[in-house]
Amino acid sequence: KAGVTQTPRYLIKTRGQQVTLSCSPISGHRSVSWYQQTPGQGLQFLFEYFSETQRNKGNFPGRFSGRQFSNSRSEMNVSTLELGDSALYLCASSRGTSTEAFFGQGTRLTVV
Amino acid sequence: DAKTTQPPSMDCAEGRAANLPCNHSTISGNEYVYWYRQIHSQGPQYIIHGLKNNETNEMASLIITEDRKSSTLILPHATLRDTAVYYCIFTGAGDKLIFGTGTRLQVFP
Repeated sequence: KAGVTQTPRYLIKTRGQQVTLSCSPISGHRSVSWYQQTPGQGLQFLFEYFSETQRNKGNFPGRFSGRQFSNSRSEMNVSTLELGDSALYLCASSRGTSTEAFFGQGTRLTVV
Repeated sequence: DAKTTQPPSMDCAEGRAANLPCNHSTISGNEYVYWYRQIHSQGPQYIIHGLKNNETNEMASLIITEDRKSSTLILPHATLRDTAVYYCIFTGAGDKLIFGTGTRLQVFP
C-alpha cells in the first residue's frame, strides 16, 4: 500500500513569507502528526490531528498552524517565516492511539 | 513530557546482535514503549512497540523489564543497513511522540 506522502519535498522561501506543507496519510489512517527536525533541537512534536480535530499540540509559537480535512489529508502552515524555521518537516500517520506511526520522507524547508 | 535515556552511540560488528538499552523510569502503567530508527535524511521508521510483555517481529525483539523502567531493543543479526539513529520513546493517550537524542548505532564490517 502507498506510504505517507509529503509535498513538496524541497522548498525555499524568504523571511516574512508564509508556507503551506501537505501530507497525505496512509489510507485508513485517521491520525496525522507533524514534527520539526533541526540539527540543534532534534525531532520536535508540532501537533497531532485526529478526525479533523487537533488533539495534541507541541510548544511552538502561533505562527505554526495546521488542519486536517475529512479525507484525513493534513496541511501545516507557517506564517511570517524566520531563518530559524529552516528544517525538515515530517508528517506521520497512524490508525489511532497506541498504534505505530508511519513517517513520510519530509519536506525540507530553507528560509533565506 | 516523556523522557528516555539512551547512550549516545554504540558500535556493532556485522552479523552480531546489537543490544540497544533505554531507561524510561518515569513511564506510567498505560504508556507503551516504542522504538523507531532514522537513517540519514529519511523519515523515522517504526521498528517495534510493547506495553509489558516482550515482543518480537521480523525486524527486532523488544525486552521490557518487569518494573517497566527500562527496555532493550535487540537486532539479532546486524547488517550495514542497520546503521542509523535509534530512538526509544514512550507515549500514552493520543499520538504524541517525544523524541530524545537517540543512540547512533554504527555497524562495521
